[in-house]
Parts: sequence; structure tokens; C-alpha cells
Amino acid sequence: AQSVTQPDIHITVSEGASLELRCNYSYGATPYLFWYVQSPGQGLQLLLKYFSGDTLVQGIKGFEAEFKRSQSSFNLRKPSVHWSDAAEYFCAGRSFGNEKLTFGTGTRLTIIP
Amino acid sequence: DGGITQSPKYLFRKEGQNVTLSCEQNLNHDAMYWYRQDPGQGLRLIYYSQIVNDFQKGDIAEGYSVSREKKESFPLTVTSAQKNPTAFYLCASSITIYRGENSNQPQHFGDGTRLSIL
Repeated sequence: AQSVTQPDIHITVSEGASLELRCNYSYGATPYLFWYVQSPGQGLQLLLKYFSGDTLVQGIKGFEAEFKRSQSSFNLRKPSVHWSDAAEYFCAGRSFGNEKLTFGTGTRLTIIP
Repeated sequence: DGGITQSPKYLFRKEGQNVTLSCEQNLNHDAMYWYRQDPGQGLRLIYYSQIVNDFQKGDIAEGYSVSREKKESFPLTVTSAQKNPTAFYLCASSITIYRGENSNQPQHFGDGTRLSIL
């Protein structure tokens, strides 16, 4: 079955430190992958997407993600986090031609001073 | 600015009552979606519509109903048959995927409606 897995439920990072949020996918062919961010009580905002080409994609707010086929991963990274990055992050994917997006269960990011 | 408007932001339901959540978009998107979000479970698809006057059940459609009479609007009714309706409901829209084309298009989300039981 097609799936997206986010192994970490909650991550705490110090402000200014680097960040990596994990996402693993299970699809027969190369999936279309997305990272979204959700602030409390808000909707989801798209950070970046991947569908082909360069395996390192740049997004908004200084985020980037790397697609690794050998590891079935699409991890989200940021070199230096800011307190405003505290939020919940969702990885999502779909297969070619599929209207539905499959979401991971999310990773909640806490930033400490 | 184009976007998706969900209303109300907070909604309370009495036992045995149907309630309708509004979702309006001005992005000129053909496809619209309703998701339910519960803590620790991510987003689960309730219904989706790829075109006006047509819609399909998602993964958790029981106890919910929708209509799609206009391109801009996709209201969700939470019926009394939904025994555990307390959740955060998100509406989204996107360009329709047709024969694989537009598979790379993301979904755009509204700010959600929080439904609680009185």
C-alpha cells in the first residue's frame, strides 16, 4: 500500500541549531512529495514539493528537502531554526495520476531558547 | 488575494443535530477536498470533488455528506450519524489531475473549522 511515514512525533531543537525532520515513503514508482507546515489552529501551508529532477529542492522560509530513492526518504532540513519555526510539519505524497494525497501523521517541532 | 475561506472558525453541535461547514475558494480550482484532523492521526480524507456536480467518498465518509453545485463552493454536512464529530476540519482545493497531468500540483488549504459537541 502507498504510504508516508513520519517516524518522529515530537522534536525539540534549540534556536539557531540545525533541523532535520524525517519522512519515508512507500510507493511503487517515484512519488510526488510535499512538505507542509501548520501553525496552531491554522491550515496547512506548502513549504516545498518534489516530483523529478534535482534531488535537493528549496522551499520557502529557508527550508530544503532531499529526495533519496535508495532510502525511500524525503527529509526536511533547515540550517538554523528560528522560534517562529515552532509548528507541526506534515509530509505528503501521491502517485502519478492519483487525485488523493496521503499524509504522514506529522512531527511537532518545539524550539527552546 | 486568492484563497480558501472556511466558516465558521468554531462550531458547536448538539446531540442529534446536523451541522454544515462552509468552504469557498476563489482560486478557480476544479478539485476540492475535505479532511478531518485529529491529534496524532494526521489528515484523513472525508470527501473530494474533481468537478462540479460530482464527488467521491474518501477514507472516512460515513456520517458526512457533501454537495458541489458551484465550482467555488464545497460545503460539508456533519450528520447526526457521525458519532464522534469533535475534530478540526480542513478544506483544500487544487488544479484537477487528469490522466496524470498536474500530479505535481499541491493542495491549498483553508484555515479550518473546529467542531465541538455541546
